[in-house]
Amino acid sequence: DTEVTQTPKHLVMGMTNKKSLKCEQHMGHRAMYWYKQKAKKPPELMFVYSYEKLSINESVPSRFSPECPNSSLLNLHLHALQPEDSALYLCASSQVSGTTDTQYFGPGTRLTVL
Amino acid sequence: KNQVEQSPQSLIILEGKNCTLQCNYTVSPFSNLRWYKQDTGRGPVSLTIMTFSENTKSNGRYTATLDADTKQSSLHITASQLSDSASYICVVSAVYKLSFGAGTTVTVRA
Repeated sequence: DTEVTQTPKHLVMGMTNKKSLKCEQHMGHRAMYWYKQKAKKPPELMFVYSYEKLSINESVPSRFSPECPNSSLLNLHLHALQPEDSALYLCASSQVSGTTDTQYFGPGTRLTVL
Repeated sequence: KNQVEQSPQSLIILEGKNCTLQCNYTVSPFSNLRWYKQDTGRGPVSLTIMTFSENTKSNGRYTATLDADTKQSSLHITASQLSDSASYICVVSAVYKLSFGAGTTVTVRA
């Protein structure tokens, strides 16, 4: 099983809402990632979790709050987002963190902030 | 300045034809280079990965080359199919971080 799953596929939320994105993998990977991708742009790294601990935060605003409840799950909690936060949010995982291992990406959650 | 530059930005080819995509990078120190295929609205899928010592790597109709001296890579698509229509992203690894190119959008027409 080389699949990374993400839910929901689409999410529309207002600027005062609180919502969460979920990501799951059962490949035994110990590194998980959140990326943000705007249309026709490459993915931008947001967070890296290594062995369930946050190892990299790419200066992401605090309205995005990641959580790694266990080695298979990764959440991204959203609160008080802005319309410019509308994007495709991609989750990825790899055997370990660092860059020698291939990252497997999920299908993404298409987020629209009204 | 982006450390990974891809060209062309987009291209249109007829089904059955070949095409070549280019990737130039300045990322250092170099660890490896990957080509990903991303269908619209989907996550990227890895096609090939090459380390410093590898010059070429194939995956079906996709063949990637790497010249680590000139810091250039190419992805050649042979006998294109409609399903090859996608964005192709070059990703170069340095220490702990991936650098993504902006991608080349390929449209295959019947």
